[in-house]
Amino acid sequence: AQRVTQPEKLLSVFKGAPVELKCNYSYSGSPELFWYVQYSRQRLQLLLRHISRESIKGFTADLNKGETSFHLKKPFAQEEDSAMYYCALRTGGFKTIFGAGTRLFVKA
Amino acid sequence: GAVVSQHPSWVICKSGTSVKIECRSLDFQATTMFWYRQFPKQSLMLMATSNEGSKATYEQGVEKDKFLINHASLTLSTLTVTSAHPEDSSFYICSASGLAHTSTDTQYFGPGTRLTVL
Repeated sequence: AQRVTQPEKLLSVFKGAPVELKCNYSYSGSPELFWYVQYSRQRLQLLLRHISRESIKGFTADLNKGETSFHLKKPFAQEEDSAMYYCALRTGGFKTIFGAGTRLFVKA
Repeated sequence: GAVVSQHPSWVICKSGTSVKIECRSLDFQATTMFWYRQFPKQSLMLMATSNEGSKATYEQGVEKDKFLINHASLTLSTLTVTSAHPEDSSFYICSASGLAHTSTDTQYFGPGTRLTVL
C-alpha cells in the first residue's frame, strides 16, 4: 500500500533549537518525495524535493530508502518557520499522496 | 512563480443545490490539474486528476457523478459539487502542473475554496 506517515501532529521547539519533522513512507516503486509547507493563511507551497538535494530556508531532507524515511531537518529553528508541514509521495504520473501533516511551532 | 487561483474563496449554499468551483492557472498552461479535499485538521485527500481535453480520473471512493470535473482548457478546470449535502462541507484545493516556466513537474496549489452546505 502507498502511504505517508507523519507521526507527530504538533512539534514545539524553542527558537535556535534543532528541529526534525519525521516522515516515513510505504511504496513498492521508486519514490519521489517532497516536503510542502503551509504558512498561516497562505496556500500550500513546495519546500523541497529529494531529487534536488537542496537546502531551502535552511531545511534539508535526505531520503533513506533502507528506513523508508524522508525526515525534514533544520539545525536552528526560527520563529518564521512556524507552519504546517506536509510530507508527500509522488507515485505514478503526478499522483501525490500527502501525510497528515505536522504543525511546527517555534517559541521565542 | 506560477500562480493558481480559485474562485470563489468561500461559498455557502443550501442542501440540494449545486456549486461550481473554478481553478485557473494564471501564467502558465496546466496540462494536468488535481482536485483535493481537506477536512479540518486533516491532510489533503486527492479526489481526481484531470488532463486537458479528457475525462478526469477519480480516486477510489469519490463519486464521479457527484463531483463533476471539467478541464476544458489549459488554464481552467472546474469542480461542480452536485446536489450538495452538509457532509460535502469541506475545503477544496486544486493544484496544477504542466509547462510552467520554472519546471515541468512542479505542482502549484490554489488557495482553496471553503464550501459550507447548510
